[in-house]
Amino acid sequence: KAGVTQTPRYLIKTRGQQVTLSCSPISGHRSVSWYQQTPGQGLQFLFEYFSETQRNKGNFPGRFSGRQFSNSRSEMNVSTLELGDSALYLCASSPPGTSGRGEQFFGPGTRLTVL
Amino acid sequence: AQTVTQSQPEMSVQEAETVTLSCTYDTSENNYYLFWYKQPPSRQMILVIRQEAYKQQNATENRFSVNFQKAAKSFSLKISDSQLGDTAMYFCAFGRTQGGSEKLVFGKGTKLTVNP
Repeated sequence: KAGVTQTPRYLIKTRGQQVTLSCSPISGHRSVSWYQQTPGQGLQFLFEYFSETQRNKGNFPGRFSGRQFSNSRSEMNVSTLELGDSALYLCASSPPGTSGRGEQFFGPGTRLTVL
Repeated sequence: AQTVTQSQPEMSVQEAETVTLSCTYDTSENNYYLFWYKQPPSRQMILVIRQEAYKQQNATENRFSVNFQKAAKSFSLKISDSQLGDTAMYFCAFGRTQGGSEKLVFGKGTKLTVNP
């Protein structure tokens, strides 16, 4: 079974631009979570989607948004990019029937650099 | 809000020896899960071991075991017979279900280097 895939793997943008990152979960997984990883702040939860609905949201500004499609693929969008948005963005999916177990499978991440 | 603290930013160990990584957490919840994730250099994060808070028995996965002290809110990871491939960042994580949603809170990580 293929793992979680994320595209693109690397992105370079300039301040003020917007960016869209994509995540395809493991087949059969319906929950997709997004995390931002930076050297200073570590791993921080952005949001979680399940069945095309946002179920949980972290403490990030409204410039960060996401969505999930009927095939469980998810995208996250960052508008008006700032230098501080440079980070590794990780996507993780959870198996069905494991509610409460918290087990998540991570993708390789998208490395975003904002110049 | 839950917090997870890893007090050892970096550690090193000789190949074949044993090392213990520390983790403490703060929560008022009674039902939750604890995890150790491994992130090798330039590779993706993988789950090493998980522990359910309601279980008193410490989890074990081959060379990896945990010492879970619920009252002390401590969750350390012991790696036995360390191998060069164990070199990675190790993250301790707290998870619980809220309204059906899964969310992990991570510590800042411990960079482990296994020396030949």
